[in-house]
Amino acid sequence: EVQMVESGGVALQPGESLRLSCAASGFNFNKYTINWVRQAPGKGLEWISFITWDGGAPYYADSVKGRFTISRDNSRNSVYLQMNSLRAEDTAVYYCTKVREEWLVLGDFDSWGQGTQVTVSS
Amino acid sequence: IQMTQSPSSLSASVGDRVTITCRASQDIGNHLAWYQQTPGKVPKVLIYAASTLQSGVPSRFSGSGSGTDFTLTISSLQPEDVATYYCQKYNSALLTFGGGTRVEI
Repeated sequence: EVQMVESGGVALQPGESLRLSCAASGFNFNKYTINWVRQAPGKGLEWISFITWDGGAPYYADSVKGRFTISRDNSRNSVYLQMNSLRAEDTAVYYCTKVREEWLVLGDFDSWGQGTQVTVSS
Repeated sequence: IQMTQSPSSLSASVGDRVTITCRASQDIGNHLAWYQQTPGKVPKVLIYAASTLQSGVPSRFSGSGSGTDFTLTISSLQPEDVATYYCQKYNSALLTFGGGTRVEI
């Protein structure tokens, strides 16, 4: 069974930094692109970043480019999201997701974690 | 590329046919997925490649369209279909979601 478990979400102040983790199991992790998606309170879904199976070609939404960094450790079946210079508008539930097929850079998201809450407030 | 969903919300009766549309600002081929998010739950994929039903999803859900105009149809609305529905394009690196359509009974 595919499982994706996010962790690391906390409440913190504007300008601070945080690293989220996503631990995956149940599939050949080192063959899949992984994405981060967030959802602000009462709002819709916002894709923010992906990283390919080999860690190459990370890509970011404009809203987080230059502040967030995605990385992965295939030996630990984990993906990370380093979030710097956090703002109130970064407050959201953060989900990690996997694409449907192996070796696919772009695709729909067939598995999602339960999410981790990040709250940025002074 | 912008993804525009309509309507933003709708109310229908059990058994009604419900149609949600998603329009892309540029041609995205068939690289479109539909997700359902029931209240308090994690989103799940219903339809991918514009019209392929995800395994385990009831057959009352269907998707159609290509290029710029797409439709999600619920042939006979059920109480458990109360949710917000999102389209998402994945033809290029900015994997944009539509704004969502809230479906109520």
